[in-house]
Amino acid sequence: EAGVAQSPRYKIIEKRQSVAFWCNPISGHATLYWYQQILGQGPKLLIQFQNNGVVDDSQLPKDRFSAERLKGVDSTLKIQPAKLEDSAVYLCASSVSTASSYNSPLHFGNGTRLTVT
Amino acid sequence: DQQVKQNSPSLSVQEGRISILNCDYTNSMFDYFLWYKKYPAEGPTFLISISSIKDKNEDGRFTVFLNKSAKHLSLHIVPSQPGDSAVYFCTGGSEKLVFGKGTKLTVNP
Repeated sequence: EAGVAQSPRYKIIEKRQSVAFWCNPISGHATLYWYQQILGQGPKLLIQFQNNGVVDDSQLPKDRFSAERLKGVDSTLKIQPAKLEDSAVYLCASSVSTASSYNSPLHFGNGTRLTVT
Repeated sequence: DQQVKQNSPSLSVQEGRISILNCDYTNSMFDYFLWYKKYPAEGPTFLISISSIKDKNEDGRFTVFLNKSAKHLSLHIVPSQPGDSAVYFCTGGSEKLVFGKGTKLTVNP
């Protein structure tokens, strides 16, 4: 089984520029997540999709962050404009079920490390 | 508001000994807990879980203990191996997963 694919692996941009990250989940996984992991912190959920729809985006800074999941498969996360505090690793994860993570643990990609200068 | 707390940023253990990683939580609504392991430059991988109605779950060298009255759980690794060196995240779940800050485990040969 192929894992969750993310690109790019690394990105360096200047503040006020825009950036986009791409995620391809495991085939057949209904639920897709984007997490932000700042250095020294645990991952924080930004947005959760169930198929095409948004389940939870309560912690997504909507004035600058946007995300979409096309046809219930691939997803992109965009930041525009970027701030210094957006420097972090952005992790994409997917799970088979729309039920709780207990029975359907998340499978994470290797992440995109973003540095904003 | 830190709902899941891992108060030890790091832990160092000798190969063959027991590793004990601790986690405290404040949210009584969590109905399950999971531990994830993370190697550098990789995403977290699922390790072991426990339902809030259980007090112990074992999988090979890994055992998770849950003390609901103390709102405390721990992960035991016996025997520890150098390949276990990684960052371990404790998570609590109900509608969504909440991650702790992680504990970096180093197992010395």
